[in-house]
Formats: sequence, C-alpha cells, structure tokens
Amino acid sequence: GAVVSQHPSRVICKSGTSVKIECRSLDFQATTMFWYRQFPKKSLMLMATSNEGSKATYEQGVEKDKFLINHASLTLSTLTVTSAHPEDSSFYICSARNPNLGRGISNYGYTFGSGTRLTVV
Amino acid sequence: SQKIEQNSEALNIQEGKTATLTCNYTNYSPAYLQWYRQDPGRGPVFLLLIRENEKEKRKERLKVTFDTTLKQSLFHITASQPADSATYLCALEELAGRRALTFGSGTRLQVQP
Repeated sequence: GAVVSQHPSRVICKSGTSVKIECRSLDFQATTMFWYRQFPKKSLMLMATSNEGSKATYEQGVEKDKFLINHASLTLSTLTVTSAHPEDSSFYICSARNPNLGRGISNYGYTFGSGTRLTVV
Repeated sequence: SQKIEQNSEALNIQEGKTATLTCNYTNYSPAYLQWYRQDPGRGPVFLLLIRENEKEKRKERLKVTFDTTLKQSLFHITASQPADSATYLCALEELAGRRALTFGSGTRLQVQP
C-alpha cells in the first residue's frame, strides 16, 4: 500500500515554456504532499509543502511564482515550472506521508514518487 | 533548523562484509530518524524508521541505532551483497511544524563481488 505515482518521468522542454509535473497518491488520501528537487550527487532539498484545498507553503528562496503548486484533491498535487530556464534543469520528486505511520502498523515513513528528470534546453 | 551530515560520500566494501554508514545531526527536537535507499534516477525508498526513545531497530539484514546524546545514527547492512549497492540517505522528521523531511547528502555504497 501507499503508492505515489509521479508523471512524467522525464521531460525535455525549450527555454521559456512551462512544464507540469503530476503526483498522485494511488491507494490513500494525502492531505499533504511535499515537493523536492535534487541536483546530481546532492541531497533532496525541500521546495514546498502542498496542502489540499489551501495554498502551498514554500521554503525560503523558492520562487512561488516560478514553481506553481496546486493540490486540488486529496490524491493529486501538481508542480508547474513556469517559464523554465536551463538552471531549472533538475530532478524533481514528490512525496506523501504514509497514513499508516503511528497506527501500530509497520513503520513505512514517507512514500516517494519515482521522480521527474527535467531538462530545459 | 536541522543540519544532517553523512560524513562518507562513498563507501566501498567487499561482498559478505558489514557496511556501516553514519549520520550526524546538529539541532535537537523530538524526531523520527529515517533511512532511505535511492537508486540512480529513482525516488528514495523507505527502509527503516527509529523513534527518539528507541535505541535500535532491525529489519532482516538491516540495523539502525539512534543515540540522541551523540546526535548520531548508525546504519548497518550485514552480509552485504552487490545488490545493496545504492545511495543511502538519512533523514530527520521533526514532530512539530510541517513535518517534512530534512535529508543528509547521502552515502554511495558500492559492494564489490
């Protein structure tokens, strides 16, 4: 259980265009999802916390107008990279907290999507 | 805010040996400490979680310890196999606020056959 599906897995876009990345919780409801980005051989850096039905909370230094997050339902959060530039090229990963955590069931921690490799040319 | 350090960027060991990875953190607040495995081009996969009041947690060939005095966690893989080769990430989840994970930079483990 607790599967997160992320789509697309890989995208190449031209500079100045926008790209939407989707993250779906397949067998559970996720009121909160998290978006990370990861540079080569670096760790995951939290970009924003996506809250169902309300505005996302962005980390310091992350442009909210650049990285638009929408969490319109309990199973879907989207990240749109607007007016993408080559420096936005990165690996973007979403995650959701396993709802079974803390209920005496095995400790599953957080579930991550498989990631999206964005290349802006 | 938390700062997580995994002080080995890479670790090479022989098949069958025990791999030991270290995770140190700076600040303290009630937290769950978690270990994840990440393969190239993939998202992290959850391995183990240990709570602040637990000293040790085991799962098959994996063992995690959590020393809140030293602010350190050790992650062991016993009887290591080439298939264990991956990057291992340590992460802290603080129990207040937004409860997102703060990750260490990872240790790339290579198990030689």
